[in-house]
Amino acid sequence: GQQVMQIPQYQHVQEGEDFTTYCNSSTTLSNIQWYKQRPGGHPVFLIQLVKSGEVKKQKRLTFQFGEAKKNSSLHITATQTTDVGTYFCAATSSGGSYIPTFGRGTSLIVHP
Amino acid sequence: DVKVTQSSRYLVKRTGEKVFLECVQDMDHENMFWYRQDPGLGLRLIYFSYDVKMKEKGDIPEGYSVSREKKERFSLILESASTNQTSMYLCASSLYSRDTEAFFGQGTRLTVV
Repeated sequence: GQQVMQIPQYQHVQEGEDFTTYCNSSTTLSNIQWYKQRPGGHPVFLIQLVKSGEVKKQKRLTFQFGEAKKNSSLHITATQTTDVGTYFCAATSSGGSYIPTFGRGTSLIVHP
Repeated sequence: DVKVTQSSRYLVKRTGEKVFLECVQDMDHENMFWYRQDPGLGLRLIYFSYDVKMKEKGDIPEGYSVSREKKERFSLILESASTNQTSMYLCASSLYSRDTEAFFGQGTRLTVV
């Protein structure tokens, strides 16, 4: 079945530093979604990428979809304490099941 | 706003008990999902349903069953709870089969003693 690897598992940063999490799939994807889960909360949808090479921005967050549609990244510029949480990618294969597979998540810890 | 509501926030059950986790969504979504979340393992799909009375196994269905008698309600059943089923359980729903976001409930923290 489809495998989705997300790295790193944890990332400690000082407030103001940048942060990036990467998501890699063993198969070509039809789309990839990103979710954020605050401590003690539930995952909340951030964005979906569909097109090869697509780049989308939400304020300090930049999302990219690889040209081969097998990988994606989420980059946060100048982290703030409000960015703390776990970021998950959810990848849907272009063939087979339409159900997305979640990565294991990257937990971001921001030190003030 | 879409609302996905799970019946309990915290639950403590004894080994061998039959446990029901209930989930209700209020936006007429076709798909509903049950995940379990464990530290370092992310979200693992237990079962999903794409229509009333329809269900499909996810990645870790062993020890679980589900029921979807009405479109808005999706129940997860632990036939005989075991300590290795202690976990956070998350219900989610989405509108269509593909390319639509999932909305999650607040989660149920189940402890089996």
